[in-house]
Amino acid sequence: DTEVTQTPKHLVMGMTNKKSLKCEQHMGHRAMYWYKQKAKKPPELMFVYSYEKLSINESVPSRFSPECPNSSLLNLHLHALQPEDSALYLCASRGGVNEQFFGPGTRLTVL
Amino acid sequence: RKEVEQDPGPFNVPEGATVAFNCTYSNSASQSFFWYRQDCRKEPKLLMSVYSSGNEDGRFTAQLNRASQYISLLIRDSKLSDSATYLCVVSEGGADGLTFGKGTHLIIQP
Repeated sequence: DTEVTQTPKHLVMGMTNKKSLKCEQHMGHRAMYWYKQKAKKPPELMFVYSYEKLSINESVPSRFSPECPNSSLLNLHLHALQPEDSALYLCASRGGVNEQFFGPGTRLTVL
Repeated sequence: RKEVEQDPGPFNVPEGATVAFNCTYSNSASQSFFWYRQDCRKEPKLLMSVYSSGNEDGRFTAQLNRASQYISLLIRDSKLSDSATYLCVVSEGGADGLTFGKGTHLIIQP
């Protein structure tokens, strides 16, 4: 089973809202990732969690706040976003030979 | 700066033809190499890992040349369902994130 699940599939939020994106995997992977993908662009790395600790933050603005409650779950808390933050947010987990498996993504629109 | 360069295409190819994609990467410390496929409005899906010895999976063959920092993908007997964006992807290994090329758009025509 190489499944990574993400909820919600779609999210529309205003600039003053607080919302959270959720990601889950049950493959026993110990590294999980958040990526952001704009239309017609490749995914860009945001955060890396390794063994439930934040190991990489690619200079992401503080209005994005990641959280790893346990080895299977990864959250991304959103607050005071801007319209330019509208994108597809992808979660991934890393397998045994460094390959990463992506969830279906959350398509976020900020009004 | 870590970079992965690909020809964005589009490649318009008749069904049944053979098509080849190439990419180059800038970071000589890269350890792991992959081709991902991404359909419109979907997530990237792992197509295959790429090894120096070359590897084949059905109609797909991938090759890595570490000396030239060059990765290739060959698709034989192309099918309509092969139409997608093909992403060349590189990792420094460990828990590092992936560095993606901008993708090559492939259109298989009947």
